[in-house]
This record gives sequence, C-alpha cells and structure tokens, in this order.
Amino acid sequence: TQLLEQSPQFLSIQEGENLTVYCNSSSVFSSLQWYRQEPGEGPVLLVTVVTGGEVKKLKRLTFQFGDARKDSSLHITAAQPGDTGLYLCAGITPPNAGGTSYGKLTFGQGTILTVHP
Amino acid sequence: NAGVTQTPKFQVLKTGQSMTLQCAQDMNHEYMSWYRQDPGMGLRLIHYSVGAGITDQGEVPNGYNVSRSTTEDFPLRLLSAAPSQTSVYFCASSFRMGWGPQHFGDGTRLSIL
Repeated sequence: TQLLEQSPQFLSIQEGENLTVYCNSSSVFSSLQWYRQEPGEGPVLLVTVVTGGEVKKLKRLTFQFGDARKDSSLHITAAQPGDTGLYLCAGITPPNAGGTSYGKLTFGQGTILTVHP
Repeated sequence: NAGVTQTPKFQVLKTGQSMTLQCAQDMNHEYMSWYRQDPGMGLRLIHYSVGAGITDQGEVPNGYNVSRSTTEDFPLRLLSAAPSQTSVYFCASSFRMGWGPQHFGDGTRLSIL
C-alpha cells in the first residue's frame, strides 16, 4: 500500500507568518496534486506538479515536487485568515503497463491550517 | 455546469439498514471514484470506475458496492450499515486518472446509529 505522510497535522499561526507543509512517501508518483478543502465542501485542486524538482507558484503559495518524485512541499508566505482550511496532498499512480491497475490517487492525512487575524 | 452532484447531503441510518448514495456528473468524465473522509485520515478510496461497466476496488471496499451503468452516474451502496461506516463520503470525477483535477461533490454526511 502506498502511503503519503503529511506534516504537520495541525498548524495554528498568526496573520503574516510563513509556513511550510510537507508531504512524504517512500513510493514514487507520476505526479502530485495539492488540494484545499473548506468546511462542508469537497476539496478543490490548487496545483499539479509533474516533473521532479518542479516548482510552481500560485500567488503567495509555492509548491515543490522532490527530485525523486517521492515528496512535495507547500510553502505559504505571509499567511492570511483566508488561507485557513484543510490542505491535502495526493499522489497519482498511473495505470500500469500490465493492465492490472487502472491507476489511482492516494491522499495524505491532511493539514488543518488556522490563520488568526 | 452543475459539476458533481451528491445526494443526499445528510443521512442517519440504523445499524443493518441499507442505502444508496447517489453521485452524478455532467462533464462527460471517464473516471469516477468514491472516498470516505474521517478525522485525521484524509480521504480513503472506496471504489472507482474508469468507464461505464468497469469498476475496481480501492483501499477500503468492504461493506460497499458500486456499479457504473452510465457515464454520468456512479452510485455507492451500503449493504448492511455498521457504525464504523459513519463518515463523510465524497464522490469525485475526472477526465482520466492523472489528467487534470479531480472534481469533488460537496459530500454526504452519514451517521449510523
């Protein structure tokens, strides 16, 4: 079973602080996605990283995919109360050449971020 | 576009009862899946489908059945509800696994007494 370990599980910070969320696995993924979820809603995709070493920026959010495609990080600069939510990483395993697997998405446990004004 | 629609939003069942959670998408997506979300455990895959007539088990399939007779619909059936199945259930769809985002519904909050 492929596992994605996300840390920290909880993060409570003040507005304006920086933070980093980590997503680690012993398995290689073809790509990795980060989602954000608000209470009462389903997760919404923030970004997909595909290439080892890739860095993507989305305003104050910076996403990095590890060189070996086993880990990823999300860094938020100058956090704002609107960033509050559950952040989830998800690794994509593509269908295999033997046809015994159709491919799947494996989620980490999530990081609950609270940004206080 | 409605996207992914899940019904009902809330449901309370007694142990042993059966029910079907409905999921429909209007984006002509091939890939559909069901997850359950429990505190501290992220989203765990129950069953998924890569197209009409093709389904496969995910990480936690026991106690659940699925079928995919049309591209649009992917219902999840609880055969005999147990308290351990109390959870929030999410349906998701995407054009193809690994291509683009998973589009999630707003979830069904299910309590088994």
